Amino acid sequence: DAGVTQSPTHLIKTRGQQVTLRCSPKSGHDTVSWYQQALGQGPQFIFQYYEEEERQRGNFPDRFSGHQFPNYSSELNVNALLLGDSALYLCASSFGWGLAGYNEQFFGPGTRLTVL
Amino acid sequence: KQEVTQIPAALSVPEGENLVLNCSFTDSAIYNLQWFRQDPGKGLTSLLLIQSSQREQTSGRLNASLDKSSGRSTLYIAASQPGDSATYLCAVRMGNQGGKLIFGQGTELSVKP
Repeated sequence: DAGVTQSPTHLIKTRGQQVTLRCSPKSGHDTVSWYQQALGQGPQFIFQYYEEEERQRGNFPDRFSGHQFPNYSSELNVNALLLGDSALYLCASSFGWGLAGYNEQFFGPGTRLTVL
Repeated sequence: KQEVTQIPAALSVPEGENLVLNCSFTDSAIYNLQWFRQDPGKGLTSLLLIQSSQREQTSGRLNASLDKSSGRSTLYIAASQPGDSATYLCAVRMGNQGGKLIFGQGTELSVKP
């Protein structure tokens, strides 16, 4: 049973460019969340998708956008990259939404984004 | 606003010691609390999940406790091994804030042989 997978593993971009990160949830999961983890910090919540809609969003600018596909996989897009966007981007999956779905979240290995 | 704090930021112990990692949170209205392990440059591995109605959870050499009223959780690691060296993160899920997790900054554990 495959866990959460993310691609690519590493990515190097320059300021002003755009980047797309991809995530496939654990089998049976339908909810995908994205987190940004700066070096030495805990992960910060970016947004969460369920039924192809953004359900909740953290304190991140509109440059950060996402999408969820019918097969539950998800993409994170970041436009106009800044040096401060350099971080480990983590995808997490879980099952369900709402109080009944407050289950354990499983994380992928992350994508290391470096902005030069 | 919920804030999660982990103390100490770093801990070094000799192999075989029992140890306790601490996590505190400011708002007791949590739905659950999850402990994670993170190896350098890697993703997060879920260790234990404690629902707000529970007091503790155990898995092998790990035991996590939760005291909602005081806003504290501890992760107890028995008979530590060098392979336990990693960063340990706690995260809370608020009942009224959807599915997001709010993380502490982690405790970096080093177990010396």
